[in-house]
Amino acid sequence: AQKITQTQPGMFVQEKEAVTLDCTYDTSDQSYGLFWYKQPSSGEMIFLIYQGSYDEQNATEGRYSLNFQKARKSANLVISASQLGDSAMYFCAMREAPDTGRRALTFGSGTRLQVQP
Amino acid sequence: DAGVIQSPRHEVTEMGQEVTLRCKPISGHNSLFWYRQTMMRGLELLIYFNNNVPIDDSGMPEDRFSAKMPNASFSTLKIQPSEPRDSAVYFCASSNLDPGAHHNQPQHFGDGTRLSIL
Repeated sequence: AQKITQTQPGMFVQEKEAVTLDCTYDTSDQSYGLFWYKQPSSGEMIFLIYQGSYDEQNATEGRYSLNFQKARKSANLVISASQLGDSAMYFCAMREAPDTGRRALTFGSGTRLQVQP
Repeated sequence: DAGVIQSPRHEVTEMGQEVTLRCKPISGHNSLFWYRQTMMRGLELLIYFNNNVPIDDSGMPEDRFSAKMPNASFSTLKIQPSEPRDSAVYFCASSNLDPGAHHNQPQHFGDGTRLSIL
């Protein structure tokens, strides 16, 4: 089974509108962390936002927020007021059981977002 | 602050040649990761080090791949002999994952090495 599932290969959004990128995950651990990264066409991986499994509040970071629904095992990224520079690939990733030393991230297949003027 | 530095940015070489990719992690970080990104398989972990010691190399494809971290500020990923199917973007990432650190420490990625094996 896929650990991280991103079901939207591509998304379009109009400039200044909000967009939600979906991410569901699969783990039996109680303690885990969820991350979102942005990869523009230039290729670098940029960390956007983090959500811990025990965090009661949804994470926010500027125009990025995370809609975390633990029971559904989903961690959707919401980008508000889209800008042309938001056009990129977006990856959801999970770190399971960080207390046990399993430190690597498992990545989803990504969603390509295109912001239209 | 300097981020993760990878070299070279691009490498084109012929099948059978030895390829060495280099990485300098962020100063103070104790964990280093090598990932490979391809269209078919996405981003996959190859190996990671903690305090310069390899912890998990289960993602290393085969014996042709080897990685070393001789000190806290330098790591190499070597492919010998290289094959066309090794063509990919190779990322190095580092993080500070001491037990006392918050779990929310992200991995910081280098710009990657785009490797093409002809």
